[in-house]
Amino acid sequence: GENVEQHPSTLSVQEGDSAVIKCTYSDSASNYFPWYKQELGKGPQLIIDIRSNVGEKKDQRIAVTLNKTAKHFSLHITETQPEDSAVYFCAARDTDKLIFGTGTRLQVFP
Amino acid sequence: AAGVIQSPRHLIKEKRETATLKCYPIPRHDTVYWYQQGPGQDPQFLISFYEKMQSDKGSIPDRFSAQQFSDYHSELNMSSLELGDSALYFCASSLQINEQFFGPGTRLTVL
Repeated sequence: GENVEQHPSTLSVQEGDSAVIKCTYSDSASNYFPWYKQELGKGPQLIIDIRSNVGEKKDQRIAVTLNKTAKHFSLHITETQPEDSAVYFCAARDTDKLIFGTGTRLQVFP
Repeated sequence: AAGVIQSPRHLIKEKRETATLKCYPIPRHDTVYWYQQGPGQDPQFLISFYEKMQSDKGSIPDRFSAQQFSDYHSELNMSSLELGDSALYFCASSLQINEQFFGPGTRLTVL
């Protein structure tokens, strides 16, 4: 089955800086990779996703890149703001279920 | 926009008791997924339903069962509760195998 690794586990940045979170997956058949933001006491919120036929996708300050050959994908957040502070999970779809990475706790300091 | 609704939001049970968690998917979504999230952990897939039929099964204990009803809502039934069942339980819904949208979760505490 699919296995997803995520790094780093914690990330602290100054407001306005960029943040990058990286994930690798094991199953080359996986074709859909979403990213979720989870705030304390809330459910995971889908913030961006990418399919295997695309190498990069951008939505305002958030971008995701995918390298199918190396089986890794990354989340890039530019111009970080304190409200970006949360736990971020990458995931890969295995048939219909999602396999999540272990999460990255992002702290943005004013 | 309408979101996934879960009830109850909080539930406290004693060991060996039974719990029922409910999930109401986003309107017109036909697929429901259940995930369990322990403290400081990532969500772990339990079970999913598409058009009222079980579509996939993960590491769900035999003490747990679930179903999806004709109105597409789903219920997760948990019996003989153990201390280790204390966790956040999330339901997610999608239209077929597309983006999954998560509900706010049910926090289950087993004493």
